[in-house]
Amino acid sequence: QVHLQESGPGLVKPSETLSLTCGVSGYSITNNDYWGWIRQPPGKGLECIASIYHTGVTYYNPSLKSRVTISVDTSKNQFSLTLSSVTASDTAVYYCARQSHGGGTSNDWGQGTLVTVSS
Amino acid sequence: EILMTQSPATLSVSPGERATLSCRASQSVSSDLAWYQQKPGQAPRLLIHAASTRATGVPARFSGSGSGTEFTLTISSLQSEDFAVYYCQQYHNWPPRTFGGGTKVEIK
Repeated sequence: QVHLQESGPGLVKPSETLSLTCGVSGYSITNNDYWGWIRQPPGKGLECIASIYHTGVTYYNPSLKSRVTISVDTSKNQFSLTLSSVTASDTAVYYCARQSHGGGTSNDWGQGTLVTVSS
Repeated sequence: EILMTQSPATLSVSPGERATLSCRASQSVSSDLAWYQQKPGQAPRLLIHAASTRATGVPARFSGSGSGTEFTLTISSLQSEDFAVYYCQQYHNWPPRTFGGGTKVEIK
């Protein structure tokens, strides 16, 4: 049974960098899946941010690509997200997810972590 | 980027009744369409993939149909635990995978 857990600061100042980590347990991150980040501003819908395969192949939402980096650490069975130059519009619940082999669907999700951008 | 539009925004249904939710894509996504259920304070849960295939453990009262640009999620007989927000998502052309704005199914 795969379990995903997001961790990182809940408050980030404007113009700074948001950093989150997703720890994966009960499942190897080197299995034939993608791993991704999805966010949801309060009271709004879902937005895919980025995905990564354990070999390091990455896919980014073009609207965020210039500010986002996704990485994987197979030795720790975890993957991470950084989002630079944040503004209030980056305030959201950030979810990490296990995504299907083809990368299409998000099959297992973490509980989510609220990140607020405020001074 | 493929735009996904869901209707209605809110659907009021009595327990035991049928609910029909719609999702339209701005261009064909073939059958690369998923549905998710999200309850308050929880992460989304995958219900349907490939437009009509139920995910593991999803009750048979949930069914998906459609292809191309028009899709439907049907809940045949609403149970109390089904009142939630439902999102469709295309994965035909990504990045980015895109979600619809959601349909809230509420108790009538």
